[in-house]
Amino acid sequence: ILNVEQSPQSLHVQEGDSTNFTCSFPSSNFYALHWYRWETAKSPEALFVMTLNGDEKKKGRISATLNTKEGYSYLYIKGSQPEDSATYLCAFRDTGNQFYFGTGTSLTVIP
Amino acid sequence: DTGVSQDPRHKITKRGQNVTFRCDPISEHNRLYWYRQTLGQGPEFLTYFQNEAQLEKSRLLSDRFSAERPKGSFSTLEIQRTEQGDSAMYLCASSPGLAGASYNEQFFGPGTRLTVL
Repeated sequence: ILNVEQSPQSLHVQEGDSTNFTCSFPSSNFYALHWYRWETAKSPEALFVMTLNGDEKKKGRISATLNTKEGYSYLYIKGSQPEDSATYLCAFRDTGNQFYFGTGTSLTVIP
Repeated sequence: DTGVSQDPRHKITKRGQNVTFRCDPISEHNRLYWYRQTLGQGPEFLTYFQNEAQLEKSRLLSDRFSAERPKGSFSTLEIQRTEQGDSAMYLCASSPGLAGASYNEQFFGPGTRLTVL
């Protein structure tokens, strides 16, 4: 069983704070790393697909980096807002096109 | 709405009963995935289809679980002789299935929440 780990498990921050989470994954058979945002009672929403070592992606106040050699990705949120409250999932996609999800980081932004 | 849809959204059943869930992917998406998610865990891969062909099936998946995608469009997931441990959220996702990782973003449905009493 392939292990994808996310930390921290949960996080509470004040509105306006910046924060970051970690996703660790195997460095072998890597094809892509996906980040999703999952709000309660909604479907997971794709944030980023990252494929190359050193990739950096940005969408508004959210950005992500990728290190495939050491097997980690960081997700950053700048100036957190209450609407950023959600669970952030990462998924490792292997060369066989299977996806392995982490358990997620639950973010709560306190107004 | 042209997103992924799942039916039903909620299902309560008694232990030992059979249940069937349906997933309608985004039109023209070749790949369709089924996942199971239990409380406190991330989605766990169950199986995936490329058009009508079932290409991968999790080794953890019991023989009581079967999935079909007969015409390469919608898919069904059936669980026979349900057990309390089957209680979970069952998620479906579809992706275009084109070459290149960036073209294979997954789009998720809202899920079917199964409760086995």
